[in-house]
Amino acid sequence: QKEVEQNSGPLSVPEGAIASLNCTYSDRVSQSFFWYRQYSGKSPELIMSIYSNGDKEDGRFTAQLNKASQYVSLLIRDSQPSDSATYLCAVRRAAGNKLTFGGGTRVLVKP
Amino acid sequence: DTAVSQTPKYLVTQMGNDKSIKCEQNLGHDTMYWYKQDSKKFLKIMFSYNNKELIINETVPNRFSPKSPDKAHLNLHINSLELGDSAVYFCASSSSALVRGGELFFGEGSRLTVL
Repeated sequence: QKEVEQNSGPLSVPEGAIASLNCTYSDRVSQSFFWYRQYSGKSPELIMSIYSNGDKEDGRFTAQLNKASQYVSLLIRDSQPSDSATYLCAVRRAAGNKLTFGGGTRVLVKP
Repeated sequence: DTAVSQTPKYLVTQMGNDKSIKCEQNLGHDTMYWYKQDSKKFLKIMFSYNNKELIINETVPNRFSPKSPDKAHLNLHINSLELGDSAVYFCASSSSALVRGGELFFGEGSRLTVL
């Protein structure tokens, strides 16, 4: 079992719709959770972080965390073609600096 | 000014050769990382240095040798290159705490192709 798992996609959504991305993790002591966006041929960039159970909203992005189910998700509202990218889920244990990444979900927003 | 810069951006080389990738950050961070991203997009940590001290050393062949001359620089040398080494290698940096709110800042990546 991989430490962090994501559906590779592609997740195809029409412009203006909601894109829903899921991520599960295996290590119960994980404490910090991140979503990075990576455009094709570019480097990953942080878009959201979440540490407590529940929802966290930032603009059109909402991260949701359920530690009991070891599940973290990302919602992108009013999806735009510029949101087309690979979204990487990353998890960190309570101690140490190591971020473990999932394989990413490719999102395609069609006009 | 580029925050995390890597050179070279592209390397094409033959099996068995040795190559190096250099990384520099001007963010004032004291922790730097090497990540490998394969063709399936998995981003896997290889090494991390904090103030020139190796703090993370994942299961990586000893053909890979990192070196940090100071906290702003982290280099990666690869001996006896193999086909499976073909990937994009990302350098990243962060503040040493990397606790709540911390993030990784990535360089643009160095795409290595071994023929």
